[in-house]
Amino acid sequence: EDQVTQSPEALRLQEGESSSLNCSYTVSGLRGLFWYRQDPGKGPEFLFTLYSAGEEKEKERLKATLTKKESFLHITAPKPEDSATYLCAVRWDSNYQLIWGAGTKLIIKP
Amino acid sequence: SQTIHQWPATLVQPVGSPLSLECTVEGTSNPNLYWYRQAAGRGLQLLFYSVGIGQISSEVPQNLSASRPQDRQFILSSKKLLLSDSGFYLCAWRASGRSGYEQYFGPGTRLTVT
Repeated sequence: EDQVTQSPEALRLQEGESSSLNCSYTVSGLRGLFWYRQDPGKGPEFLFTLYSAGEEKEKERLKATLTKKESFLHITAPKPEDSATYLCAVRWDSNYQLIWGAGTKLIIKP
Repeated sequence: SQTIHQWPATLVQPVGSPLSLECTVEGTSNPNLYWYRQAAGRGLQLLFYSVGIGQISSEVPQNLSASRPQDRQFILSSKKLLLSDSGFYLCAWRASGRSGYEQYFGPGTRLTVT
């Protein structure tokens, strides 16, 4: 069964403490892996798309990387405003749909 | 630039009542449109998607339905709500054609069925 699993479910960090979030997938024929940020009570906000193993994308304190079986969202020296739930999703074969992970809730304490 | 709107933002409805949620997109033509439901602590569940006016695909059997009466309008409906219909409903759009498959989301509607 095609799946997307995110870990950990929740992560609490001190401000400035770098860490990584994981998104592992078991789909065949990956056609894109997507990272989103979601604030409480709001719609997800698009961050990155990764298409092939070895690809990296950066935005401010966030860097997303992709291997053949998983993606990491690295957060460097996070600030309290980086607190949010981070979602990943994958597109496989020629589908219009995305398979979504359950998300990682990131809390950055000042 | 493109903008997506959803309304209402919050809704409290009794069991058995009808439902109509609306989504509109501005600044693009012929978008692919999606309705999702998000339960607490779970991933997004795709309910319906549409590649054009009057073209609706359903992913999950349920008492919900969707319609696309205009190019940039997507409506989610129910004739009789169930308690299990409570949740956070999200509309999303994607540019059609050979482009990136990232989807862009509206602000969502929080539905509570009592």
